Amino acid sequence: GAVVSQHPSRVICKSGTSVKIECRSLDFQATTMFWYRQFPKQSLMLMATSNEGSKATYEQGVEKDKFLINHASLTLSTLTVTSAHPEDSSFYICSAPYQPQQGAAGYTFGSGTRLTVV
Amino acid sequence: AQSVTQPDIHITVSEGASLELRCNYSYGATPYLFWYVQSPGQGLQLLLKYFSGDTLVQGIKGFEAEFKRSQSSFNLRKPSVHWSDAAEYFCAVGALDRDDKIIFGKGTRLHILP
Repeated sequence: GAVVSQHPSRVICKSGTSVKIECRSLDFQATTMFWYRQFPKQSLMLMATSNEGSKATYEQGVEKDKFLINHASLTLSTLTVTSAHPEDSSFYICSAPYQPQQGAAGYTFGSGTRLTVV
Repeated sequence: AQSVTQPDIHITVSEGASLELRCNYSYGATPYLFWYVQSPGQGLQLLLKYFSGDTLVQGIKGFEAEFKRSQSSFNLRKPSVHWSDAAEYFCAVGALDRDDKIIFGKGTRLHILP
């Protein structure tokens, strides 16, 4: 249980285009979704927190106009990298907290999206 | 503010040797603690987590971790490593309040000598 499906797993796009990454909770309602970014050989860095039905909260230094986050439903959160540039090439991962009916709560992660901007 | 420190960027051990990866955290309340592993080009995989109860937590792949409140530590251990354990390991701290988040350490890259 508590699966987040993230698509696409890999994407290559041309500089100046936009790319949308989707994270869909398959068997639970994700009222919150965290979006992380990982540069090569670096740790995950939190970019923003999205809450269903409200505006996302961005971490300091993250351009909200460049990284558009939408969380329109309890099962879908999207991250759109607008006007992508090579420096946006990175590994993007989403994560959602969940509370099962039995057992301890936890976080579940998408499988990640490798974005390469050429 | 919450933070996670993994003091070792790289660790090299011989196959069959024991392993301990260090993790120290700073958190205002009782933390939820996690260890994740990431193989090259792969997503994260949860090894184990601690919420409450027994401070020695067993995880997958033969890993365990011990929560020590007095030392603010959550070190990961394995008695005998395998070559397939070579990967990046991340310690993380978080809470499950609605608007809270999980914060990752910078990671420790584990190298295995044959």
